[in-house]
Amino acid sequence: GENVEQHPSTLSVQEGDSAVIKCTYSDSASNYFPWYKQELGKRPQLIIDIRSNVGEKKDQRIAVTLNKTAKHFSLHITETQPEDSAVYFCAASMGGNEKLTFGTGTRLTIIP
Amino acid sequence: DAMVIQNPRYQVTQFGKPVTLSCSQTLNHNVMYWYQQKSSQAPKLLFHYYDKDFNNEADTPDNFQSRRPNTSFCFLDIRSPGLGDAAMYLCATSRDRGNRGYEQYFGPGTRLTVT
Repeated sequence: GENVEQHPSTLSVQEGDSAVIKCTYSDSASNYFPWYKQELGKRPQLIIDIRSNVGEKKDQRIAVTLNKTAKHFSLHITETQPEDSAVYFCAASMGGNEKLTFGTGTRLTIIP
Repeated sequence: DAMVIQNPRYQVTQFGKPVTLSCSQTLNHNVMYWYQQKSSQAPKLLFHYYDKDFNNEADTPDNFQSRRPNTSFCFLDIRSPGLGDAAMYLCATSRDRGNRGYEQYFGPGTRLTVT
């Protein structure tokens, strides 16, 4: 089955700087890659997703890039703000599969 | 405008005393999932329903059962909770969006404490 690795496990960034979180996946059949943000004690919320026919997608300060050949995808947050502090999970799914394989999560802390 | 609702939000049960967690959704999604999440680990899929079809994960203990009486509701039954079952239980829903994949919407979770 699919295996998703996520790095780093913790990340501290000065407010205003950029943060990058990276994930690699194992199954070349995977074609849907969402990113979830989970604040302390709250539900995971989808913040951005990308499909394998697209190399990059942006939504304001958030962007995701995908390298199908290398089987990795990354989350980029620019101009970080204190409210960006949370745990971020990447995930992958194959074809029409309704199940997601999650990465292990990255705890992002924005230092004021 | 809650879309995935979980009740209760907090549940305390005694060791070995059966407990039921509930999930309802207003999205009319055909897929419903139950996840277990411990202390900022990734959510762990226990099982999911695709329409009425139940799909159990291979490593889900028999202690965990589920029911989906209709499209809107899904229940998680823990027959004999152990201390290791203390966790956040997340319900999620999704539907097939064709080539856009299955976006999962999560409920707020039920935090289960076992005493």
